Amino acid sequence: NAGVTQTPKFRVLKTGQSMTLLCAQDMNHEYMYWYRQDPGMGLRLIHYSVGEGTTAKGEVPDGYNVSRLKKQNFLLGLESAAPSQTSVYFCASSYRGLTRREQFFGPGTRLTVL
Amino acid sequence: GIQVEQSPPDLILQEGANSTLRCNFSDSVNNLQWFHQNPWGQLINLFYIPSGTKQNGRLSATTVATERYSLLYISSSQTTDSGVYFCAVEAGANNLFFGTGTRLTVIP
Repeated sequence: NAGVTQTPKFRVLKTGQSMTLLCAQDMNHEYMYWYRQDPGMGLRLIHYSVGEGTTAKGEVPDGYNVSRLKKQNFLLGLESAAPSQTSVYFCASSYRGLTRREQFFGPGTRLTVL
Repeated sequence: GIQVEQSPPDLILQEGANSTLRCNFSDSVNNLQWFHQNPWGQLINLFYIPSGTKQNGRLSATTVATERYSLLYISSSQTTDSGVYFCAVEAGANNLFFGTGTRLTVIP
C-alpha cells in the first residue's frame, strides 16, 4: 500500500506558466482534497472531490482548477502561475461518512513561482 | 469557517520531559485530527479523535467535544518528537480547518 502519492515533489515555474500536480491514492477512498501550506501557517483547502467526476471549491480556490476523472486520481492545475502561488501543496484522501472521516496526506509538492 | 487556536505556539523541552499541547475550537465538530509535521515537511497522522481519549505509545490525546477543546500529551519526549504539531477540525463541510500549530523543539 503506497497510501497517497504526489507527483512531482518539487517544481519551479516562471510567472504565467502552467502545470498540473497529480495525486493518487490506493485506499479506495471516495473523498480527495488539495491543500496549500504557506510559511508559518496551517493548511488551507483549495478544492475537494466527493467522488469520481465531482469537484467543489474550498477556502482558497482562485487560480486553480481540478479534475477527478478516476476515483484514485485527483489533479490540481495552475493555468497561469503567479508568485502568490508559491507554496507547498498537499493532497489528502478519506472515506465517506461521518464516522470514518480521517484524512490521510501525501508527502507534498514544493512549488516555487518566479 | 471554524476558528482553531493552538497553544503554546512554541515549546522547548529537555529530552525526557513531558508536555501538553492544547487545541481550542469554536464550533461543534465531527472530525478532529492531530498531526506531526516533521522537519522534512511530511504530515504524520497521530490521532483521529473527535471525542474521547486515545493512546499510542508515549502519545495520548483527549477531546472534550462539549467544551470544544482537545489535548495532546507527549511523555518522555525524544529529539525525534521535534517538529510542528497541528490540530485540525471539520464540521461536516468536507474541510479540515487547521490551527497555526505548536512548534516543539526537544533538546538532548
